Amino acid sequence: GQSLEQPSEVTAVEGAIVQINCTYQTSGFYGLSWYQQHDGGAPTFLSYNALDGLEETGRFSSFLSRSDSYGYLLLQELQMKDSASYFCAVRVPRNEKLTFGTGTRLTIIP
Amino acid sequence: NAGVTQTPKFRVLKTGQSMTLLCAQDMNHEYMYWYRQDPGMGLRLIHYSVGEGTTAKGEVPDGYNVSRLKKQNFLLGLESAAPSQTSVYFCASSPPGKAIAYNEQFFGPGTRLTVL
Repeated sequence: GQSLEQPSEVTAVEGAIVQINCTYQTSGFYGLSWYQQHDGGAPTFLSYNALDGLEETGRFSSFLSRSDSYGYLLLQELQMKDSASYFCAVRVPRNEKLTFGTGTRLTIIP
Repeated sequence: NAGVTQTPKFRVLKTGQSMTLLCAQDMNHEYMYWYRQDPGMGLRLIHYSVGEGTTAKGEVPDGYNVSRLKKQNFLLGLESAAPSQTSVYFCASSPPGKAIAYNEQFFGPGTRLTVL
């Protein structure tokens, strides 16, 4: 099976940088994804890492290290609207399913 | 495009009642999924479908049934609702064909279900 660990809560200051970590244990591996969910809203896709390294999309970047079974989401120039829950998710080979972590609630303070 | 839509948005049931949640997508996606989300537990997969006429069990399938008679629709049924099924239910879809597609799911707005 698969299990993913994330910190349950993170607080950061507006304008700063924050990193949300995700460690995983899987019987196989085929990519790490990140989703954002605002309170009362639906999850929305942010990024996907199939290979080791950094993927950048505007203020958001995602990193993967397969050898360490570890990834992170990096948010820069934090804005109040970035307050949300962030979920990492993994997919195993020959499988159409994603397994989600329990999520990290990010709170941005002025 | 409306994307992924869910009906109803809210519902209150009494224990033992039945209901069907409807998910529709207009993106011609092959894969569709039903999740439930409870506080502090992330998203848990109930059932999923890789194409019209096919369904498969996810992580927490007990107490639920599904049908995919048309490619654009995925129905989730509760035959005899229980308080433990109080949750927010999300439907999602994704296209096949590329690796990233499996990891990029498009979610509906959710159905908030309370079972008394």
